[in-house]
Amino acid sequence: QKEVEQDPGPLSVPEGAIVSLNCTYSNSAFQYFMWYRQYSRKGPELLMYTYSSGNKEDGRFTAQVDKSSKYISLFIRDSQPSDSATYLCAMARGNQFYFGTGTSLTVIP
Amino acid sequence: EADIYQTPRYLVIGTGKKITLECSQTMGHDKMYWYQQDPGMELHLIHYSYGVNSTEKGDLSSESTVSRIRTEHFPLTLESARPSHTSQYLCASSVAVGTAGYTFGSGTRLTVV
Repeated sequence: QKEVEQDPGPLSVPEGAIVSLNCTYSNSAFQYFMWYRQYSRKGPELLMYTYSSGNKEDGRFTAQVDKSSKYISLFIRDSQPSDSATYLCAMARGNQFYFGTGTSLTVIP
Repeated sequence: EADIYQTPRYLVIGTGKKITLECSQTMGHDKMYWYQQDPGMELHLIHYSYGVNSTEKGDLSSESTVSRIRTEHFPLTLESARPSHTSQYLCASSVAVGTAGYTFGSGTRLTVV
């Protein structure tokens, strides 16, 4: 069983839609939870970072962590064409990082 | 501007050639990493370093080697490239896990023919 499971999509939404991206994990020892955004032909860039259950908001982005269900989500409000990218979830315990396979998102103008 | 740089961005090379992928960061991070990324697959850690003269192999078996002679520089070398090495290679650095996660370079897309 993989440490981190992420629906690969692809996901296609109209501009202005609310997008929900999700990951599940199996190891309750994970301490830190991250979302990365990766544009085509670029490296991943850190979007959101949290270490506790609950919600963390940054502009149009909200990261949600539910440690009891081993489930994390990223919500994008008022999605824009510039949000079209692959989104990777990542989790860490100690110095070990584990990444999801990424969800490809296309926002159609 | 503090950043992490990878060169070359794209490389097409013949089987059996020796290649070195360069990675440099200007942030003074102690920890550096090499990941392999293939379409639809999770990132696989192939090497990491927690400081100068410290290198370790990651989870994914790799025929590559790395060195860390200077804090800012973490090159990856393939002594004899094979078609199975065709992939995207991502370099990353971090201060520590408990801060802001990784900063990634733009990657090197390697094709071995």
